[in-house]
Amino acid sequence: AQTVTQSQPEMSVQEAETVTLSCTYDTSENNYYLFWYKQPPSRQMILVIRQEAYKQQNATENRFSVNFQKAAKSFSLKISDSQLGDTAMYFCAFSFYNNNDMRFGAGTRLTVKP
Amino acid sequence: NAGVTQTPKFQVLKTGQSMTLQCAQDMNHNSMYWYRQDPGMGLRLIYYSASEGTTDKGEVPNGYNVSRLNKREFSLRLESAAPSQTSVYFCASSAGLNTGELFFGEGSRLTVL
Repeated sequence: AQTVTQSQPEMSVQEAETVTLSCTYDTSENNYYLFWYKQPPSRQMILVIRQEAYKQQNATENRFSVNFQKAAKSFSLKISDSQLGDTAMYFCAFSFYNNNDMRFGAGTRLTVKP
Repeated sequence: NAGVTQTPKFQVLKTGQSMTLQCAQDMNHNSMYWYRQDPGMGLRLIYYSASEGTTDKGEVPNGYNVSRLNKREFSLRLESAAPSQTSVYFCASSAGLNTGELFFGEGSRLTVL
């Protein structure tokens, strides 16, 4: 089964600075999705960004971008111009195209300091 | 838009009691899921339903049963609750197999004493 590893349990960043959260995964398949989900203190899981494995171009969503390194099985999230509202748990997740079993990493708790 | 709605949001049970977590989605999604979230372990899939009338086991199904009542509703039942089932439970839905993205409810915090 595929696994997702987030090696940074906690991180902090000053407001307006940039932070990068790390994620690695393990799979022998070629077609899959990768995601970053945000879970603020309210507990609601919110999709931040999504990457399809066949796309070489890194996904971006406003201040959020990823560095997808398929050969290295690495999928990091960069948050630019960090805001206080970015404080949350961030989960990296993996899903096959034709499989309902989405796998999540253990999460990284990000704190944005004023 | 309500999205995915779970009830109850909080519940305290005694060991051996039973209960059902309810989940409903109003996005006309085919697939629905139940996850549990434990500290330091991320989210783990308990059961899923790829379409109305079907259910399948996920990573941690022991101690749980599910029912896909119709396209909108997917319930999770604990027949005899154990302290190890103390967790936060999330229901999620997705449009289908080839979209990937899950839409989550707000979670249900269950404590088993």
